Amino acid sequence: AQTVTQSQPEMSVQEAETVTLSCTYDTSESDYYLFWYKQPPSRQMILVIRQEAYKQQNATENRFSVNFQKAAKSFSLKISDSQLGDAAMYFCAYIVNRDDKIIFGKGTRLHILP
Amino acid sequence: KAGVTQTPRYLIKTRGQQVTLSCSPISGHRSVSWYQQTPGQGLQFLFEYFSETQRNKGNFPGRFSGRQFSNSRSEMNVSTLELGDSALYLCASSPHRGLDGYTFGSGTRLTVV
Repeated sequence: AQTVTQSQPEMSVQEAETVTLSCTYDTSESDYYLFWYKQPPSRQMILVIRQEAYKQQNATENRFSVNFQKAAKSFSLKISDSQLGDAAMYFCAYIVNRDDKIIFGKGTRLHILP
Repeated sequence: KAGVTQTPRYLIKTRGQQVTLSCSPISGHRSVSWYQQTPGQGLQFLFEYFSETQRNKGNFPGRFSGRQFSNSRSEMNVSTLELGDSALYLCASSPHRGLDGYTFGSGTRLTVV
């Protein structure tokens, strides 16, 4: 079965600190892409970062970076210098190359403490 | 450029009625997908359209249907509404494939009473 597990339903971090959100996934496919999406109270899902599974180098987007461990099927998101605007629900997800269906995790609600 | 536009933002319907939700993708995007988001089930894939053809369908009953027009705009329809259909319905578009990363709209909040 294709699944994504986010073991932390809720997390809090002090403003300006670093936080890591965990994600593991399960797929028998070898060609797939991984994503982290952010959903603020406005409800719109925003793509935070994207990783091609065939690339060993971890993706980075400004303050956001991932730790991709393909063998362990782990895809964690690190947010550096946390800002109040980072408060949101974060979803880990993947899509296989032969398909166009995103499999989402249940999400981690991130609180930023001023 | 304009983002993905979903209308209406909110909708209240009665059990047994039908509803049509609309999605206008980003200009030039030809792939449109629909997702249902509920607190219990999370985000679940409904269907995906590309150039007016349904390429993929999720595990939802036949009451859920969709279509895509030649201008890439998409609609989804739910007939014989049930209380359990209350959810946030999100539309997403991409230029060609979901691998590129979808751009999502702000969703339509459907409440069935």
